[in-house]
Order: sequence, then C-alpha cells, then structure tokens
Amino acid sequence: DIVMTQSPDSLAVSLGERATINCRSSQSVLYSSNNKNFLGWYQQKPGQPPKLLIYWASTRESGVPDRFSGSGSGTDFTLTISSLQAEDVAVYYCQQYYGIPYTFGQGTKLEIK
Amino acid sequence: EVQLVESGGGLVQPGGSLRLSCAASGFTFSGSWMSWVRQARGKGLEWVANIKQDGSEIYYVDSVKGRFTISRDNAKNSLYLHMSSLRAEDTALYYCARARNPTFDLWGRGTLVTVSS
Repeated sequence: DIVMTQSPDSLAVSLGERATINCRSSQSVLYSSNNKNFLGWYQQKPGQPPKLLIYWASTRESGVPDRFSGSGSGTDFTLTISSLQAEDVAVYYCQQYYGIPYTFGQGTKLEIK
Repeated sequence: EVQLVESGGGLVQPGGSLRLSCAASGFTFSGSWMSWVRQARGKGLEWVANIKQDGSEIYYVDSVKGRFTISRDNAKNSLYLHMSSLRAEDTALYYCARARNPTFDLWGRGTLVTVSS
C-alpha cells in the first residue's frame, strides 16, 4: 500500500499569512504515460463531508478560490494557502489515486493564530 | 441539484449485517465510477470500495474483502454497500462519493454505522 504522510499534524497561522501543508507518498504517484501526479487535496470543515480542492497535484477544482494552490511531483507535494482567511479553518487531507487501495494522509488541522 | 444522499446506517451487533444506500441526482450516475469512503469519529478518511460504471470492475480495501459488497442499480441511480460480519472497527460515518480520476469530486453527508453489543 502507498502510505501518505502529512506534515505538520497541526498548524496555526495568522489571518492573511501563508499556510503550507506537506504530503509525502511512500512511492511515486507520477503516472509516466500521461506525466500526471495522481494526487488530490481535500478540505474538511467540522460536521461536513470533505471537499475536493486540488487534483492532478496542482489543478484547482472549479469554484475553489485561487489562494489555494498545489505543487510537487513524484513523492513530495505541498498545499499552499497564500493568504489565510477565517473560513479556511479545517482539516486538510492529501490522497493518492495511483494505486489500490486509495489512501489518504492522516490530516493536518489548520487553525487561526 | 447535484447531490448524493446516503441512508441505511444504524446500530448493529458484532457479526451482524447492514445495507447502506446512496441516492444520486443531478448528474449522469451511469457514467460515473462510484465509491464508499468511511471515517471513524475523530479520525481520518479510509477508502472502502469502488465500482465501475457498469459494475464490471470492483475493488475493496483488504480489511473489508469477503465481508462487504458494493453494487449499483443505474436504473435507480443508486449505489449500495452490503456489510456483513461487522466488527467494532467498522464503526464509522460512511460516505458515498463520485470517483473522478484521480479524486473524489462529489460527496454525500454520510450515514453513521455503529457496531456494538
């Protein structure tokens, strides 16, 4: 199984500041035939289902604010929120879709400092 | 409105069975891979099973193989998860999700399954 490891487990950032969450996979999730990383990012607010933010490691889902961006390739990935807003308080998960079983990171809890 | 609505959760004794349902609307259900994903209280997300558009391909996480069965009825725009030989560790909120390669782009609000005597 591909193990997804996020860091940090929790993060406190001031409003308007940058937040960075890292995700590492135990093996590459880069699919050579199309040169795409099978990696997504989700946001989960309390009492709500997860919401897809980013797919293909760096493509923003429709309707997601452009302060959210994804980067990385192979085994190391980053979710960046360029200017933290109060509504961004949530738990964030990365997920690989490269191999079965599809696996998620343990989650990173983002709070306001 | 594009949505997924789960039902069928509840309290069941260890070793018991339960069938979850997911009603899809607002999109072409028959054209979509579908999945079940679960989340224990206060814990992370765990993918459980996937089923192809026509049901010809099905995949499970190892921990539920032989106990859970995913199925679909495209005529009824519905997804199902039949769970048997339930264990305490199966206790979780079960989400129905649309699987769009490479991610899950539409989620229901979940149905709670509690396995306890």
